[in-house]
Amino acid sequence: DSGVTQTPKHLITATGQRVTLRCSPRSGDLSVYWYQQSLDQGLQFLIQYYNGEERAKGNILERFSAQQFPDLHSELNLSSLELGDSALYFCASSVGGRNNEKLFFGSGTQLSVL
Amino acid sequence: AQSVAQPEDQVNVAEGNPLTVKCTYSVSGNPYLFWYVQYPNRGLQFLLKYITGDNLVKGSYGFEAEFNKSQTSFHLKKPSALVSDSALYFCAVRDMDGGSYKLIFGSGTRLLVRP
Repeated sequence: DSGVTQTPKHLITATGQRVTLRCSPRSGDLSVYWYQQSLDQGLQFLIQYYNGEERAKGNILERFSAQQFPDLHSELNLSSLELGDSALYFCASSVGGRNNEKLFFGSGTQLSVL
Repeated sequence: AQSVAQPEDQVNVAEGNPLTVKCTYSVSGNPYLFWYVQYPNRGLQFLLKYITGDNLVKGSYGFEAEFNKSQTSFHLKKPSALVSDSALYFCAVRDMDGGSYKLIFGSGTRLLVRP
């Protein structure tokens, strides 16, 4: 068990809908990362937060947004969903800071857009 | 931009034989390299990392990786494969962005160890 909790584990929804994925990092970790894993794109970095602030942005669509709350949990919001958004979404956490690159991954949320 | 490449989609090996999963990197500056493993229906798990020092890095579950600067490679190895090593393996590189960092992953290599 990595200590990172993601909910829900599975999510089935329809095109055009909006969903929220939730992540609770390991106790003491200040950094949260979101990744998208799909068969055709592999593991793609979406966005990173550190202690409530956005720190890095990757290939995240404008329809997607995220935030990290004062209790350090994070949410990834996906709106106007398309079939191609179907993927496994991972959250990872780390202590943060230099030389603390070891990421701990949650088990992911499998999103199916029908 | 930092990147890693995993040239093999799948590696097949017999149990008890040595295994190698290949990774090459392209970075500016000193490379910070990682290997992660993903078992079915699980998140990625850290195996090992190279920052500096010895070119042979030892990690979890008997895995090790050899850093080769001249060949820009960071291959994952194990002397004797187990069926339970069958999983998806990802090579990754640290990408600094200002004061923050993220990991950029390769496309992954599926390792299949047959009994």
